[in-house]
Amino acid sequence: KQEVTQIPAALSVPEGENLVLNCSFTDSAIYNLQWFRQDPGKGLTSLLLIQSSQREQTSGRLNASLDKSSGRSTLYIAASQPGDSATYLCAPRTQGGSEKLVFGKGTKLTVNP
Amino acid sequence: DVKVTQSSRYLVKRTGEKVFLECVQDMDHENMFWYRQDPGLGLRLIYFSYDVKMKEKGDIPEGYSVSREKKERFSLILESASTNQTSMYLCASSLSAYLAIHPTYEQYFGPGTRLTVT
Repeated sequence: KQEVTQIPAALSVPEGENLVLNCSFTDSAIYNLQWFRQDPGKGLTSLLLIQSSQREQTSGRLNASLDKSSGRSTLYIAASQPGDSATYLCAPRTQGGSEKLVFGKGTKLTVNP
Repeated sequence: DVKVTQSSRYLVKRTGEKVFLECVQDMDHENMFWYRQDPGLGLRLIYFSYDVKMKEKGDIPEGYSVSREKKERFSLILESASTNQTSMYLCASSLSAYLAIHPTYEQYFGPGTRLTVT
């Protein structure tokens, strides 16, 4: 059964800092991995989807990397801004016929002005 | 843009009431999902539907049922609401990876319904 861990659970940084959020998963047989952002009391917004054949995927100041064999993904945020404050979740889609995602519990990011 | 809408942002119901949560997507997605989210427990899948009238239990289906009569609409039903069903409920949809020519398989989420059962 796929298990997803996100470290750290919470992170507080000053504005402008570059930062890395970590996601690890136990079953490396995945099709892809999706990173989401969630603002308090709101739904999830998809940030990046990285296919199992890819090593990196970029969108603006965000860069997601994937090391499938070691069961790890990182989300790199460059030049952080207060508007980046949110909870970030990762979710791999595991092979085996199911279309379900398994979510980590997230990293709560606070960017201080 | 994909749009997933949920019928209510906030809902307050009494113990024992039958509760309907509605979700509609406008992108002709085959798959639809219902999750609940609780502090410290993260997102947990309640039910999943991969086609009209087709459903599959998720990790925590007890106390819930679902209905998918039309492709764009997926309803979550609490047959007899209890206080331990107070939670944030999130609906999502996606293309089927088996039918899409280029299956990027992104899940798209609605804004959520905060349900309180008193």
